[in-house]
Amino acid sequence: DIQMTQSPSSLSASVGDRVTITCRASQSISTYLNWYQQNPGKAPKLLIYAASNLQSEVPSRFSGGGSGTDFTLTISSLQPEDFATYYCQQSYSSPLTFGGGTKVDVK
Amino acid sequence: QIQLVQSGAEVKKPGASVKVSCKASGYTFINYGFSWVRQAPGQGLEWMGWISAYHGNTNYAQNLQGRVTMTTDTSTSTAYMDLRSLRSDDTAVYFCGRGTYYGSGTYSLDYWGQGTLVTVSS
Repeated sequence: DIQMTQSPSSLSASVGDRVTITCRASQSISTYLNWYQQNPGKAPKLLIYAASNLQSEVPSRFSGGGSGTDFTLTISSLQPEDFATYYCQQSYSSPLTFGGGTKVDVK
Repeated sequence: QIQLVQSGAEVKKPGASVKVSCKASGYTFINYGFSWVRQAPGQGLEWMGWISAYHGNTNYAQNLQGRVTMTTDTSTSTAYMDLRSLRSDDTAVYFCGRGTYYGSGTYSLDYWGQGTLVTVSS
């Protein structure tokens, strides 16, 4: 199975901050990488697919990059509604696997 | 608008079975598949498996093989996940997600149900 490792596991930030989350795959997955946002008690929401493509209706302050084994999710200017947990997920091979999550909370 | 609406919370005893439903609306059901994902309390996301709504082909996570069955009913646009021989560590919120393939070959879950809490307790 492909292991997905996110860092950091949590971070504290303020509104307006630039935030970057990293996801590393245990083997090359090309750009078969998605990012999701999850708020407490809610279902995950797709933000980015195929490493760098913004899902419809997702604000442009979110961006994704990377290929191979190293990927990033960047929030250019953190907004109050962005305090949440973020997960990466690979779809290169079965079983699909998720990173452990990065919780973004208020500094 | 596209919606996935799941069945309500369940409480089961160890050894029992649970069947969670996921009713889809707002799109052509057979054009997409579903993945089921679960989340134990305070934990991350675990993929359980996938089913094609078109031909019913399935692919299950190895650790659930033999205990899980995923099905669809095209007449009601509903997907089902059946988990048997429940244990306490199956206590989790279970989500269905619509699976979408992109031209690049990437597969993502672009719409999700609201989640169904399954509690396994004696």
